[in-house]
Amino acid sequence: ETGVTQSPTHLIKTRGQQVTLRCSSQSGHNTVSWYQQALGQGPQFIFQYYREEENGRGNFPPRFSGLQFPNYSSELNVNALELDDSALYLCASSLDRGGEAFFGQGTRLTVV
Amino acid sequence: GESVGLHLPTLSVQEGDNSIINCAYSNSASDYFIWYKQESGKGPQFIIDIRSNMDKRQGQRVTVLLNKTVKHLSLQIAATQPGDSAVYFCAEKLDFGNEKLTFGTGTRLTIIP
Repeated sequence: ETGVTQSPTHLIKTRGQQVTLRCSSQSGHNTVSWYQQALGQGPQFIFQYYREEENGRGNFPPRFSGLQFPNYSSELNVNALELDDSALYLCASSLDRGGEAFFGQGTRLTVV
Repeated sequence: GESVGLHLPTLSVQEGDNSIINCAYSNSASDYFIWYKQESGKGPQFIIDIRSNMDKRQGQRVTVLLNKTVKHLSLQIAATQPGDSAVYFCAEKLDFGNEKLTFGTGTRLTIIP
């Protein structure tokens, strides 16, 4: 196991609602990255947080936002959920911004 | 566990045989490449990496080959075991220190007992 934990493991939301996903990074890691993995595809980079600041963002709309806390845990927030937001959301922590990424088991979000 | 993907390229290999998984990467400027293994219900797990100044790197039972001319990466797994059954992804970065991993579409490897 990587030491990266995500909660919840599964979640069902209705279109238009808002959701918050959580990630606890591996001990000693100051960087958290979030990825979206649609069924049958590879993970896509959403954004990265380094020492509580956003450090790079992928091609996702502003309704995807995040936070990193002083203990380096992180949240991913998605507003105005759409059906296409249904996916596995992966969190990865690393020692530094470009370091080896250790992934959690993911949160499976279903939007109905 | 739940399925990672339903429409991925697939490869079936007899237990004990060697397997080769191929990947075409997208950005000729990428400098750093990683292979990940993703088992059902889990996140991707690091297998092996290689930088663009190398064309081959070996690990325990795994070898990665890089051909920058045709932007091609391969993962060779020797003496496959049932535990090797998973989806395998290649990923690229512009450089080791870059924050963004760009993943390929993945290949589902099934080991036949």
